[in-house]
Amino acid sequence: QKEVEQNSGPLSVPEGAIASLNCTYSDRGSQSFFWYRQYSGKSPELIMFIYSNGDKEDGRFTAQLNKASQYVSLLIRDSQPSDSATYLCAVKAGTASKLTFGTGTRLQVTL
Amino acid sequence: SAVISQKPSRDICQRGTSLTIQCQVDSQVTMMFWYRQQPGQSLTLIATANQGSEATYESGFVIDKFPISRPNLTFSTLTVSNLSPEDSSIYLCSVDGRVMGRTWTDTQYFGPGTRLTVL
Repeated sequence: QKEVEQNSGPLSVPEGAIASLNCTYSDRGSQSFFWYRQYSGKSPELIMFIYSNGDKEDGRFTAQLNKASQYVSLLIRDSQPSDSATYLCAVKAGTASKLTFGTGTRLQVTL
Repeated sequence: SAVISQKPSRDICQRGTSLTIQCQVDSQVTMMFWYRQQPGQSLTLIATANQGSEATYESGFVIDKFPISRPNLTFSTLTVSNLSPEDSSIYLCSVDGRVMGRTWTDTQYFGPGTRLTVL
């Protein structure tokens, strides 16, 4: 069983719509959760992190965490073509520094 | 955030040779990490490098194949030895965001990556 799972996509949404990206994890000791965006040929860029159950908003991005369901999601409002990228979910357990990455979801925002 | 550079940005190597990748950070950092990203795949951690101690390797990665140096708090190298076509990947270094002397942040920042092609 994979430790961090994501739907590989591609997830296709029209410009201006809400994109919803989902991630589940297996380690109940996980404490920190991150979303990275990776454009083709580039390195991952951190866009959101969340530690507590509930929602965390930053501009057009909202991260949602439900530790009971071992589920974290990323919502992108008013999706733009520039949001087209692969989104990687990463999880950190306890005080460890090591990140475990999901396989990523490829998002395509269409005109 | 820390500024991270890697050299080389890309290289094409012959089977059986080695490539050493350098990672330089503009701030002192406690932990540095080396990842591999194979084509179309996610990131796999190779090892964690702490200054003044041996690197800690993940399952499936060994020091003979991926020797790592960490001579100071701003620099690390990863060598990929005895190259085979299966080693063709992007290699990324990252740093723990807990930068010494700055605001603590529980994140990792990535360098731009090194694209290795083995013929």
